[in-house]
Amino acid sequence: ETGVTQTPRHLVMGMTNKKSLKCEQHLGHNAMYWYKQSAKKPLELMFVYSLEERVENNSVPSRFSPECPNSSHLFLHLHTLQPEDSALYLCASSQDPLAGFYNEQFFGPGTRLTVL
Amino acid sequence: GIQVEQSPPDLILQEGANSTLRCNFSDSVNNLQWFHQNPWGQLINLFYIPSGTKQNGRLSATTVATERYSLLYISSSQTTDSGVYFCAVEQSTGNQFYFGTGTSLTVIP
Repeated sequence: ETGVTQTPRHLVMGMTNKKSLKCEQHLGHNAMYWYKQSAKKPLELMFVYSLEERVENNSVPSRFSPECPNSSHLFLHLHTLQPEDSALYLCASSQDPLAGFYNEQFFGPGTRLTVL
Repeated sequence: GIQVEQSPPDLILQEGANSTLRCNFSDSVNNLQWFHQNPWGQLINLFYIPSGTKQNGRLSATTVATERYSLLYISSSQTTDSGVYFCAVEQSTGNQFYFGTGTSLTVIP
């Protein structure tokens, strides 16, 4: 595997379900990101992890819970979501956060989430 | 936060035509990237260009950071160029990364 991978690619869940999105990067990067892309809206940065520490949390509801067990893996745990949370969730990674915080980001293919 | 505006919002081209996409931003930035999002949602890196000019095949980009804009040039467009083009910037203060609203490009044969 190369680059940034995300699983699952598609997810349909009910409002009472608990599910997790997984992201894995094979680029040796030190920082990882979750973005949300809703229809007709710009991508929104949700969370940033640098060296496995969360450094950014952009007022995201607590029903989204990120986890970064190591620099190669990032999870987004979902519980009691709302239909308006339906969107494309994109993971990205970048190298060397200390030299220009974000540097060049590389994106995974995304998980298309539908909440019923 | 910083405002990132892209123009035009929609563009339809005949195959073989050239085009220029623009990205304006309202504050000073450290970094700027151009992406192409294909119909399946994958964001593909085109350029990492906080300043200056870069070229890659039929694509080139120029960022004039002091005037707060960047341009993406597509020459001899092909149907595979269709999709949405985003610019994204990192604001110099505040450690935030913002995406523009995108330009949706359709290239017809």
